[in-house]
Amino acid sequence: NAGVTQTPKFRVLKTGQSMTLLCAQDMNHEYMYWYRQDPGMGLRLIHYSVGEGTTAKGEVPDGYNVSRLKKQNFLLGLESAAPSQTSVYFCASSYRTASNYGYTFGSGTRLTVV
Amino acid sequence: QQQVKQSPQSLIVQKGGISIINCAYENTAFDYFPWYQQFPGKGPALLIAIRPDVSEKKEGRFTISFNKSAKQFSLHIMDSQPGDSATYFCAASFETSGSRLTFGEGTQLTVNP
Repeated sequence: NAGVTQTPKFRVLKTGQSMTLLCAQDMNHEYMYWYRQDPGMGLRLIHYSVGEGTTAKGEVPDGYNVSRLKKQNFLLGLESAAPSQTSVYFCASSYRTASNYGYTFGSGTRLTVV
Repeated sequence: QQQVKQSPQSLIVQKGGISIINCAYENTAFDYFPWYQQFPGKGPALLIAIRPDVSEKKEGRFTISFNKSAKQFSLHIMDSQPGDSATYFCAASFETSGSRLTFGEGTQLTVNP
């Protein structure tokens, strides 16, 4: 049982380049989330999804887009990367309520934009 | 705007000591308060959680104390061990209207042998 798998684990982008981060979960969770983690700022919600075909903005959505075409996958896109998007990105999934076994997080993607 | 404030940013404790991490929240509609533990290179993992209808919850060496009137909650780690060295995040969510978690800034705990 893999849980939540994120690819890639590391990436270096040049300013203006685009990329897609892939998150896959095999727990049949309804909800999926993308967070970014920056030193001293905790985890901040970028976008989330409450089911296949749905997406919604979180706390820091600017510069990112997402798609959830299949229940098990949640993609995070950066159309034109900026140095301010240098961060560690975490995907998570959960049942309908966070209190049911909590969130399951992936191991993260470390992105550097130069 | 940070709706959940966490302190201290870093904490150093001797083996066997008590580690205490504090969080304060602003929105009284929050009704679920978990703590997550994160080791280097890993994603956060649920450690313990509490709802506002109880003032304390204990699981092994980990205890959450909750003060609804003060809008504060804290994590106590008794008999701290070097293996507890990690980053700890408090969080809060509105269970009745979805499960998005708002996280605190994090506390890096180091337990010296």
